[in-house]
Amino acid sequence: EVQLVESGGGLVKPGGSLRLSCAGSGFTFSTYSINWVRQAPGKGLEWVASISTSSSYVYYADSVKGRFTISRDDAKNSLFLQMSSLRADDTAVYYCARVQSLAGLDYWGRGTLVTVSS
Amino acid sequence: DIQLTQSPSTLSASVGDRVTITCRASQSISSWLAWYQQKPGKAPNLLIYRASILQSGVPSRFSGSGSGTEFSLTIGSLQPGDFGTYYCQQYYVYSWTFGQGTRVQIK
Repeated sequence: EVQLVESGGGLVKPGGSLRLSCAGSGFTFSTYSINWVRQAPGKGLEWVASISTSSSYVYYADSVKGRFTISRDDAKNSLFLQMSSLRADDTAVYYCARVQSLAGLDYWGRGTLVTVSS
Repeated sequence: DIQLTQSPSTLSASVGDRVTITCRASQSISSWLAWYQQKPGKAPNLLIYRASILQSGVPSRFSGSGSGTEFSLTIGSLQPGDFGTYYCQQYYVYSWTFGQGTRVQIK
């Protein structure tokens, strides 16, 4: 069974940093691009970042570019999102999601909540 | 960035009704569009990809159509479990973008 499990969320002060993790299982992690998508409370979905296989390509939403870094460790079947200079509007549930080739995001984790507040 | 505009924002329909949600892109995205259903407190679930291909395991009452800038998701016969919020998403070019969502309520 394909599973993605996020962790690392929590309460952080504005300007602070946080590192999210996503553990994949039930599939060959290294052969898939993986994305981060977030959802602010009561709001819609916002694509955040994407990393291709072998970390060849990374892409970021303008709203996080220069502040967030996506990375992966295929030996540990893990995806990461290093977040810095956090702002109140970064408050959201952060999901990791697997990219089905040419077909969108076919498996999602349950999400981890990040709250940026003083 | 490519903007996706969904309509309506909210709809209320009865069990058995045929329901259609539209998604308009600010520029052509060919057929690189997916549809997701999200229920409260849950992660989104992929329904349709490449504008019209049904994801494995998704009931056949869901269908998608369109290309270029105009797309639609149709639920052929609305069921009680179809409540939730539906999102379109383009994956034609980065930054990927989502529509603002359409909330479907059962009368």
